[in-house]
Amino acid sequence: SQTIHQWPATLVQPVGSPLSLECTVEGTSNPNLYWYRQAAGRGLQLLFYSVGIGQISSEVPQNLSASRPQDRQFILSSKKLLLSDSGFYLCARGANVLTFGAGSRLTVL
Amino acid sequence: GESVGLHLPTLSVQEGDNSIINCAYSNSASDYFIWYKQESGKGPQFIIDIRSNMDKRQGQRVTVLLNKTVKHLSLQIAATQPGDSAVYFCAVAPGSARQLTFGSGTQLTVLP
Repeated sequence: SQTIHQWPATLVQPVGSPLSLECTVEGTSNPNLYWYRQAAGRGLQLLFYSVGIGQISSEVPQNLSASRPQDRQFILSSKKLLLSDSGFYLCARGANVLTFGAGSRLTVL
Repeated sequence: GESVGLHLPTLSVQEGDNSIINCAYSNSASDYFIWYKQESGKGPQFIIDIRSNMDKRQGQRVTVLLNKTVKHLSLQIAATQPGDSAVYFCAVAPGSARQLTFGSGTQLTVLP
């Protein structure tokens, strides 16, 4: 199984509050992991990817950070949320074809 | 870099008809192309992929056509069913998945 678990599924947070979205994956060890953001009615924007524990590459400068404390765990964080951080956050795994999790919908008020 | 665009943001078809969703890309070095289906509130699901050494690939009720000359990709769905209603994304890469560029998606609505 290459199942991807994301939580929470839905989150409403005030501006300025911290954020932690978690992603855990099953199956093959040492997977490539990704965080994407999807704004309403738009395509997917790659935020971070990781090829191993502690190895994080950021694709766009932003208010968010990512960490990979364990082989199958990928965390998206923020110290202070902005209104513009609202969106649908997707964790994915894969080398060529990506498999996506069910997503976490974040609303910042 | 790569830019990917879809020709129509929305498409409505009658149940049982064939659907065609189109996608254009800009980078002639792109060699891997994927179509995803995303149902409301869910993550995208892989449908079918094609590499640049092919111009057509068929799956179950779906066909992907690649025209490298005009940098155009299409997804054809035969005998469209209500369960096909979703947003369809094309994704294009010159190499690995981290270089995937996604289009903005086409919302397919199947009418009864």
